[in-house]
Amino acid sequence: QVQLQESGPGLVKPSQTLSLTCTVSGGSISSGTYYWSWIRQPAGKGLEWIGRMYTNGNTNYNPSLKSRVTISGDTSKNQFSLKLSSVTAADTAVYYCAREMATISYAFDIWGQGTMVTASS
Amino acid sequence: DIVMTQSPDSLTVSLGERATINCKSNQSVLYSSNNKNYLAWYQQNPGQPPKLLIYWASTRESGVPDRFSGSGSGTDFTLTISSLQAEDVAVYYCQQYYSTPPTFGQGTKVEIK
Repeated sequence: QVQLQESGPGLVKPSQTLSLTCTVSGGSISSGTYYWSWIRQPAGKGLEWIGRMYTNGNTNYNPSLKSRVTISGDTSKNQFSLKLSSVTAADTAVYYCAREMATISYAFDIWGQGTMVTASS
Repeated sequence: DIVMTQSPDSLTVSLGERATINCKSNQSVLYSSNNKNYLAWYQQNPGQPPKLLIYWASTRESGVPDRFSGSGSGTDFTLTISSLQAEDVAVYYCQQYYSTPPTFGQGTKVEIK
C-alpha cells in the first residue's frame, strides 16, 4: 500500500525558503504511471495546487507561484521535494504531497497527512 | 486558470436524507476526443487530507460507498449523497484536471440537521 509522508520545518522566517520533503513508501516515484504533486491549504480555506514532478524529472508549476517554486526528486531515496523561496505570511498553510494517477485519471488518489508550515519571525 | 464554483457553501441535511452539492466550471472540462469529463470530487474531514471519492465525474474510487454518486457534463456537475450518514459530515471539494493548473472549488460543508 502506497503511503506518502511530508517532513520539514514547521516554522520559516519571512523572506527565507520553505523546504519540504515527501517520502514515498510502498511504491516507486520512478513509476511512469504516476505524477507527484504538492498542494497547500491555508487554515480554514480551500486547496491550491503548487506544482508537480513527472517521472522523467520534468515539472509543472502553478503560474501564481512559478517564480518561487522548485520541485525535484531523489529516486535513490524515493523522495520528492518542494522549495518555496521568499516566503511571506501568505504562505502559511498545511502542505500536502499527493499522487496523481497518470494512466487511470489525473485525480489525486493518495495524499500525505500534511504538514503545517508557518511563516513568521 | 479554470475557475470552479461550488454551491451551496454549506448544507444541513437530516440523517438518511439526500444531500446534493453542485459544481460549476467557467469553461468546459469535457475532452471531446475521449468524451470524458476531467472532474473529481473529494471529501475532507477535519485535520485530515482530502480523500478521493469520484473521478471522471462519475466513477467511484475503490472502496467508496455507493451512496456517493457523481453526475453532470461539460460545465455543470453534481455530487449526491443518497442517504446521509453521520460519518459523511465533512467538507467536499470538486476539482478539474482538464488543464494545468488543476483547480479546486471553494468547498461545501455538509452538516447534520
